[in-house]
Amino acid sequence: DSGVTQTPKHLITATGQRVTLRCSPRSGDLSVYWYQQSLDQGLQFLIQYYNGEERAKGNILERFSAQQFPDLHSELNLSSLELGDSALYFCASRQGGNTEAFFGQGTRLTVV
Amino acid sequence: GQQVMQIPQYQHVQEGEDFTTYCNSSTTLSNIQWYKQRPGGHPVFLIQLVKSGEVKKQKRLTFQFGEAKKNSSLHITATQTTDVGTYFCAGGGYQKVTFGTGTKLQVIP
Repeated sequence: DSGVTQTPKHLITATGQRVTLRCSPRSGDLSVYWYQQSLDQGLQFLIQYYNGEERAKGNILERFSAQQFPDLHSELNLSSLELGDSALYFCASRQGGNTEAFFGQGTRLTVV
Repeated sequence: GQQVMQIPQYQHVQEGEDFTTYCNSSTTLSNIQWYKQRPGGHPVFLIQLVKSGEVKKQKRLTFQFGEAKKNSSLHITATQTTDVGTYFCAGGGYQKVTFGTGTKLQVIP
């Protein structure tokens, strides 16, 4: 158990809909990262938050947004969903600095 | 922006053969991390290298960080079926952690 909790584990929704993925980082970790992994693909960096503030942005679509709350949990919002958004979405947390990243189990999103 | 490439993308080996994956960054890295993702699982941290030319070993796994801190390699000696999975390198810093494209290893018993 990595200590990072992601909910839900699975999500099936229709095109055009909006969903929210939730991530609770390890206790004490201030940094939260979101990654997208399409089938048999690599980890595409989406966005990073540190202690409530956005720190780095990757190839995140304008239809996607995220935030980190005062209690450090984070939410990734995906709207106007398309079939191509079907993927595994991972959240990872780090204590900060050059430390290892701990990944959650991921949310598998299927858009039909 | 920073790009981290890995080769090969896929590798099939007979059990007992050696395996190597290479990681190359377009920019100098402050450190390199390696992760393993088992099929159906999530990435799990293996090791971090920080110093130029650093070599670290974990049982049958040997990790190297290049002298210029722009490349790294992971070598597995005498692969076992438990080594199956995708190996990612990650170029890190204090903010964005850029993952490599990954190498998927299949071990044929």
